[in-house]
Amino acid sequence: DIQMTQSPSSLSASVGDRVTITCRASQSISYFFNWYQQKPGKAPNLLIYGASNLQSGVPSRFSGSGSGTDFTLTISGLQPEDFATYYCQQSYSTPRTFGQGTKVEIK
Amino acid sequence: QEQLVQSGAEVKKPGVSVKVSCKASGYTFTDYYIHWVRQAPGQGLEWMGWINPNGGATNYAHEFQGRVTVTRDTSISTSYMELSGLRSDDTAVFFCARDRSLYGTNSFDIWGQGTMVTVSS
Repeated sequence: DIQMTQSPSSLSASVGDRVTITCRASQSISYFFNWYQQKPGKAPNLLIYGASNLQSGVPSRFSGSGSGTDFTLTISGLQPEDFATYYCQQSYSTPRTFGQGTKVEIK
Repeated sequence: QEQLVQSGAEVKKPGVSVKVSCKASGYTFTDYYIHWVRQAPGQGLEWMGWINPNGGATNYAHEFQGRVTVTRDTSISTSYMELSGLRSDDTAVFFCARDRSLYGTNSFDIWGQGTMVTVSS
């Protein structure tokens, strides 16, 4: 199974900050990689697919980059509604493993 | 609009089974795989398995092999996830999700609202 490791596990940031979350795969997964946002009590919401493609309806302050084993989610100008937990996921093979999550909290 | 609507919360005793439903609407049910994901309280997302509604083929995570069965009824555009031999650590929210293929890559673009299953004696 492919293991996905996110860092950091949590971070504190202020509104307007630039935030970067990273995810590393245990083997090369090309661009078969996604980012999700989850708010408390809600289902996850797809943000980025194919490593760098913005899902329809997602604000342009979210961006994704990377390929192979190392990936990054960047939020340029954190907004109050962005405080949530973010998960990475590989779609290269089954099982479709997720990272352990990164909780973005208000500083 | 395209959506997945899941059945309501369940409370079960240890050792029994639970069956959660996931009804699709707004799109052709047989065009997209359905996946199931578990989330224990305060924990991350754990992939359980998928079903191809077109034909019924399934694939399960090793951790759930022998305990989980995913089925579908195409006449009502619904997938079901049955988990047997429930234990207290199966207490979790269970999600279904649609698997979309776009630009040669797959992602879960639509999710059900989640079904809370509580296992308690």
